[in-house]
Amino acid sequence: DTGVSQNPRHKITKRGQNVTFRCDPISEHNRLYWYRQTLGQGPEFLTYFQNEAQLEKSRLLSDRFSAERPKGSFSTLEIQRTEQGDSAMYLCASSPLLAGNSYEQYFGPGTRLTVT
Amino acid sequence: RKEVEQDPGPFNVPEGATVAFNCTYSNSASQSFFWYRQDCRKEPKLLMSVYSSGNEDGRFTAQLNRASQYISLLIRDSKLSDSATYLCVVTREAAGNKLTFGGGTRVLVKP
Repeated sequence: DTGVSQNPRHKITKRGQNVTFRCDPISEHNRLYWYRQTLGQGPEFLTYFQNEAQLEKSRLLSDRFSAERPKGSFSTLEIQRTEQGDSAMYLCASSPLLAGNSYEQYFGPGTRLTVT
Repeated sequence: RKEVEQDPGPFNVPEGATVAFNCTYSNSASQSFFWYRQDCRKEPKLLMSVYSSGNEDGRFTAQLNRASQYISLLIRDSKLSDSATYLCVVTREAAGNKLTFGGGTRVLVKP
């Protein structure tokens, strides 16, 4: 399977614990995006990378959140001291850099986080 | 006010009927427009890009009205398998092409 993969698919954690998610993008896709989706809402942008550089972080990304893409391939998203409000689906997407106007992003299956 | 707004529905559609719905966007600098489909507890998947001239893909037709800043999606001859949430998406190159999603319109096709 050469699509975007995410691990784990599900994570249940207790409030106050740290969690880390991993995203493996499609090979050779320069851009990697993280989104968060809560029930009944559309996904919301969190952050994105171009190769290994993190180019933008949303205001949604509090100091408890950190993301890395150390070698420009896979990425990790860590949440420290989780809160119940962090419960959501965390989606990763990747896209190639293209010269045209349309940039299709390919999504992974997501990691569903439940904070108890 | 959200940057992309959609009627959440649900739109209850008899099988074989036509359904249409819109979304509006507030940022006039938006450059690219898409409809994504999302099934329950699954990731969003690109349904189609939306062009100013309008475009059609099988039973699906998308239109873009830049002057009024809205995008529409029409589904003809609805199938049971069309039941899903349809997400309207806009992007801007200056914003790194991050996707800005509407809240989604839920469509339920019934026999």
